[in-house]
Amino acid sequence: AQSVAQPEDQVNVAEGNPLTVKCTYSVSGNPYLFWYVQYPNRGLQFLLKYITGDNLVKGSYGFEAEFNKSQTSFHLKKPSALVSDSALYFCAVRALSGAGSYQLTFGKGTKLSVIP
Amino acid sequence: DTEVTQTPKHLVMGMTNKKSLKCEQHMGHRAMYWYKQKAKKPPELMFVYSYEKLSINESVPSRFSPECPNSSLLNLHLHALQPEDSALYLCASSQVAGGFETQYFGPGTRLLVL
Repeated sequence: AQSVAQPEDQVNVAEGNPLTVKCTYSVSGNPYLFWYVQYPNRGLQFLLKYITGDNLVKGSYGFEAEFNKSQTSFHLKKPSALVSDSALYFCAVRALSGAGSYQLTFGKGTKLSVIP
Repeated sequence: DTEVTQTPKHLVMGMTNKKSLKCEQHMGHRAMYWYKQKAKKPPELMFVYSYEKLSINESVPSRFSPECPNSSLLNLHLHALQPEDSALYLCASSQVAGGFETQYFGPGTRLLVL
């Protein structure tokens, strides 16, 4: 089955420190990978995606992600964390749905807490 | 502009009520989606409309009835819901369906079924 895994339920980081939110994927064929962020009581906001090309993808709000084919990973990173980055982060992959069409399948989410 | 709007923001309904959720986008997207999200869980796909036609129904109970009146609007009609249907209902849109286009999400409608 095509899926993504987010191994950490929660990540804590001090303000100003670099942050990493991990995601690994399992797909057949070329992966299409996405990162979304959800602030409390809000919808999901698109951060970045990897379709093809450069392994380092730059996105919104200073976030970037590195696609690593050999490790089947797509970790989200930011050089210097802000308190306002505290939110729930979802990794997603294009996967074959039960109805036989390709749709987004989300990881379980990682709660990021940036400590002042 | 990447805005998807949803109304209402909050909805409380009894198990015998009929209500509707509305979603609107003006980005010219031809795919629109309904997701259900429980607290601290990932969104679960319910329905996909592609070019105003229902293309995916992820085995959703018939008490949820989607409707796409035109390319900008998406409704979700609710009838005889159960308390376990209480959740955040998210609408999203993308240029086309297929999973490789970015989906843009609305803020959601938080539904409470009593």
